[in-house]
Amino acid sequence: DSGVTQTPKHLITATGQRVTLRCSPRSGDLSVYWYQQSLDQGLQFLIQYYNGEERAKGNILERFSAQQFPDLHSELNLSSLELGDSALYFCASSVGEWQETQYFGPGTRLLVL
Amino acid sequence: QQQVKQSPQSLIVQKGGISIINCAYENTAFDYFPWYQQFPGKGPALLIAIRPDVSEKKEGRFTISFNKSAKQFSLHIMDSQPGDSATYFCAAASTSGTYKYIFGTGTRLKVLA
Repeated sequence: DSGVTQTPKHLITATGQRVTLRCSPRSGDLSVYWYQQSLDQGLQFLIQYYNGEERAKGNILERFSAQQFPDLHSELNLSSLELGDSALYFCASSVGEWQETQYFGPGTRLLVL
Repeated sequence: QQQVKQSPQSLIVQKGGISIINCAYENTAFDYFPWYQQFPGKGPALLIAIRPDVSEKKEGRFTISFNKSAKQFSLHIMDSQPGDSATYFCAAASTSGTYKYIFGTGTRLKVLA
């Protein structure tokens, strides 16, 4: 158990809908990262927050947005969902802003029908 | 320039054998090279990591070999066990400046009993 929690574990929704994925980092960790994992794309870095502020952006679509709240939990919002958005979404956390070791949560499996 | 190429895609090894997974990168700004292990239904977990100032790092049965001039690094699993059956991801990261953490596409390892 990494200490990173993610909810929900599974999510089934329809195209065009909007969903919110939630992540609580390990106690004491200030950075939160979001990743998308699909069968053909591997792990794709989406975005990083550090202590409430956006720090780095990867291949995140404009339909996706994220934020980190004062209690350090983070939410990833996915809107206008498409079939291709079906994937595993992982949250990871680390102690510092550029900390090398990232601790991954168990993931949220999203299925868009 | 941001890709990390990982091979093979899948690997089957007999118990007690050596498993070898290779990765290659292009961006010379990368200065941290971790390997993650992922079991089905779980998030990736850091297995072992290396910085480019050393050519080899060993932790138990796991060894990273690093070739800076060739921009390649590999994971060797000695005395492979059925419990090692998992998906392995290499990654390359730049821990200064603009943070980047690029994962390889993963290798599915199966160790036969």
